[in-house]
Amino acid sequence: ELKVEQNPLFLSMQEGKNYTIYCNYSTTSDRLYWYRQDPGKSLESLFVLLSNGAVKQEGRLMASLDTKARLSTLHITAAVHDLSATYFCAALSGAGSYQLTFGKGTKLSVIP
Amino acid sequence: NAGVTQTPKFRVLKTGQSMTLLCAQDMNHEYMYWYRQDPGMGLRLIHYSVGEGTTAKGEVPDGYNVSRLKKQNFLLGLESAAPSQTSVYFCASSYAVTEAFFGQGTRLTVV
Repeated sequence: ELKVEQNPLFLSMQEGKNYTIYCNYSTTSDRLYWYRQDPGKSLESLFVLLSNGAVKQEGRLMASLDTKARLSTLHITAAVHDLSATYFCAALSGAGSYQLTFGKGTKLSVIP
Repeated sequence: NAGVTQTPKFRVLKTGQSMTLLCAQDMNHEYMYWYRQDPGMGLRLIHYSVGEGTTAKGEVPDGYNVSRLKKQNFLLGLESAAPSQTSVYFCASSYAVTEAFFGQGTRLTVV
């Protein structure tokens, strides 16, 4: 059974600082996704990582995937208040199962 | 494009009542998913489908049933609602290994 763990679950950071959110998954998966959720809203896709070593960047966010370590990271550069949200990673199990399993999410608060 | 549409957006049920949540997607996606979101628990997979006429259990399937009679629709049923099923329910769809697109959610309260 695929399990996905994120840490930290809560993150309060100052504007302008850098930080990394970690996502570990328990079994083989080479499909990793990052989503953003604002309070009371649905989930918005941020990144799709489909192979080992994949790196994607959009603005102040950069995501990477290391399938050998079963680890994905979401790096935040020079945080701004607009990045305050909950960030989820999700992994897709394969071998005919195709379950999309989410971590518990990281609630990010960027403070002035 | 409407994307993924969930009906209804809000619902209050009494314990023991039944209801069906409808998820409709217009992207011709093969995969569809039902999740529930509870504070501190992230999104937990209830049931999913990899194609028309097929369904499979996820992490928390008890108390729920699903059907996928048409490719574009995925229905989630609660036969006898319980207060523990109070949650926000999200439907999602995807094409193969691309990202899943989510509906706007259904906030269900069981009293």
